[in-house]
Amino acid sequence: GDSVTQMEGPVTLSEEAFLTINCTYTATGYPSLFWYVQYPGEGLQLLLKATKADDKGSNKGFEATYRKETTSFHLEKGSVQVSDSAVYFCALRETGANNLFFGTGTRLTVIP
Amino acid sequence: EAGVVQSPRYKIIEKKQPVAFWCNPISGHNTLYWYLQNLGQGPELLIRYENEEAVDDSQLPKDRFSAERLKGVDSTLKIQPAELGDSAVYLCASSPGGPAGEQYFGPGTRLTVT
Repeated sequence: GDSVTQMEGPVTLSEEAFLTINCTYTATGYPSLFWYVQYPGEGLQLLLKATKADDKGSNKGFEATYRKETTSFHLEKGSVQVSDSAVYFCALRETGANNLFFGTGTRLTVIP
Repeated sequence: EAGVVQSPRYKIIEKKQPVAFWCNPISGHNTLYWYLQNLGQGPELLIRYENEEAVDDSQLPKDRFSAERLKGVDSTLKIQPAELGDSAVYLCASSPGGPAGEQYFGPGTRLTVT
């Protein structure tokens, strides 16, 4: 079945540090891949997505590239800010399907 | 445009009591989802509605959980009776419909069963 394996946290970084959160997936078909972010007290928000192999999703300085050969979709940001402190979820959705499968989430704390 | 609205935001009940959660999706969104998020875990789908029809309820524990979406707009998720293990965050999401529609999430209801 479909599944998402996410780098365990929590992750604590200093402001302006480089961020990588690893995500790998298992899927029967050709899924779309997503990163969602959950700020304290708020609902999940779509951060970025990629719908096919080699696509790069980007938003707010975050990037992730859909790597079919390694079944990965790692999240990166070159310089994190305190406001990036949140929980980040990797997710997949099979082609033609509605349902999302989420990873366990990675809590990021950025300290000044 | 208003987002997905959920109420209550927090609920504390004793075990064996009933509880209900309410969700108002974004206007015009035909598809509505209820997810369960346990502490330290990602959301897991409980049920998906297309308009007023429950099209995927395979993960809903039907012995104690029920849901409805009368008139294809608002939805209610109920637990009766609640158990200690039901303590979690219950998330509602909506999308415009179709497999490519982005899901928009509400803030969730945090349930604590004592």
